[in-house]
Amino acid sequence: EVQLLESGGGLAQPGKSLRLSCAASGFTFRTYAMSWVRQAPGKGLEWVSTISAPGDLKYYADSVKGRFSTSRDNSKNTVFLQMDSLRADDAAVYYCVKGGTLFGAPNGEPIAHFPFDPWGQGARVSISS
Amino acid sequence: IVLTQSPLSLPVIPGEAASIHCRSSQSLLHSNGYNYLDWYLQKPGQSPQLLIWLGSSRASGVPDRFSGNGSGTDFTLKISRVEAEDVGVYYCMQALQTLTFGGGTRVEIK
Repeated sequence: EVQLLESGGGLAQPGKSLRLSCAASGFTFRTYAMSWVRQAPGKGLEWVSTISAPGDLKYYADSVKGRFSTSRDNSKNTVFLQMDSLRADDAAVYYCVKGGTLFGAPNGEPIAHFPFDPWGQGARVSISS
Repeated sequence: IVLTQSPLSLPVIPGEAASIHCRSSQSLLHSNGYNYLDWYLQKPGQSPQLLIWLGSSRASGVPDRFSGNGSGTDFTLKISRVEAEDVGVYYCMQALQTLTFGGGTRVEIK
């Protein structure tokens, strides 16, 4: 059974940092792209980032570009989301998901699409001074 | 790319059919023939789950009462016979460009 277990959520002050981790099991982690999707309280879904299987390709939503970074350790079946310069509107449940879409350069067209399946249970991030 | 879902809320009677629509601001049909449009369901209190990918491919374990169709800019998720367990918020998502989700359609039992 595929399992994704997020950790590292919590309360952070504006401008501070948090690091989310997602431990994966039940599949060959090193062969799959991984993504993060967030959901602000009472709101819809927002894609945050995707990292390719080997970790050489990384994509970010404009809303987090330059502040968030994703990485992975294929030896430990874990993907990370480093969140810096946190803002009030970053408050959300952050879901780790297996899958993602990879885009080619320079035309930016999709070169591979792996739908989001499954999703982790989510890590809650709150922002308050 | 902006995805607009309709209706926002959909009261349904168990056993009856239901349809949810997703309109894209740009065509999602790639030159490879695939529509880069997925459907997800978030049941109350749960994480989202995949229903349909690339427009019409049903995910593993998804009941065959769920089907996806459409092409280009207009897509529909159909539930042939709604069951009580189908309540929740349905989202479409496009993957042709920077990923975006529709605003969601809440399905509830009438």
